[in-house]
Amino acid sequence: EVQLVESGGGLVQPGRSLRLSCAASGFTFDDYAMHWVRQAPGKGLEWVSGISWNSGSIGYADSVKGRFTISRDNAKNSLYLQMNSLRAEDTALYYCAKAAMAYYFDYWGQGTLVTVSS
Amino acid sequence: EIVMTQSPATLSVSPGERATLSCRASQSVSSNLAWYQQKPGQAPRLLIYGASTRATGIPARFSGSGSGTEFTLTISSLQSEDFAVYYCQQYNNWPPSTFGQGTKLEIK
Repeated sequence: EVQLVESGGGLVQPGRSLRLSCAASGFTFDDYAMHWVRQAPGKGLEWVSGISWNSGSIGYADSVKGRFTISRDNAKNSLYLQMNSLRAEDTALYYCAKAAMAYYFDYWGQGTLVTVSS
Repeated sequence: EIVMTQSPATLSVSPGERATLSCRASQSVSSNLAWYQQKPGQAPRLLIYGASTRATGIPARFSGSGSGTEFTLTISSLQSEDFAVYYCQQYNNWPPSTFGQGTKLEIK
């Protein structure tokens, strides 16, 4: 059974940093690209960032480019999102999502909530 | 960036009836289009990929069609568990991947 478990969310002040983690199990992690998708309270889905199986291809939404860094550790079956210079508009539930062979998302975690507020 | 526009924003349908949801892309995404269902307090669930292929375990009452810029998700006979928010996503041109703003399917 595929499982994706996010952690690392919390309340943080504007301008500070936070690192999210996603622990994956139930599939061969290093065969698949992985992504972060967020959802602000009461809003729709927003793709944030994605990374290919070997970290050779990485992409970011314009809204986070230059502030967020995605990475993965295939030895630990883990995905990360380093979030710097956080803003109030980054407040959201952050989902870790497994990409299928193409870049749609066939499995999702339950999310970790990030709240940016003073 | 490709913009995905879903319509209507809210759709009211009676159980047992058919629901038709639309998704339009600002430029062609070929058949690289997925649909997701999200219920309150839950993560999204993949319904359709490749514009028309049902994901594993998705009932046959869900069907997708379209290519290029116009796509449709049809639910042939609504069950109570189908009332939720539905999102389309293009993955033809990455990065970025983009979602539509969602259609809320509510009970009439």
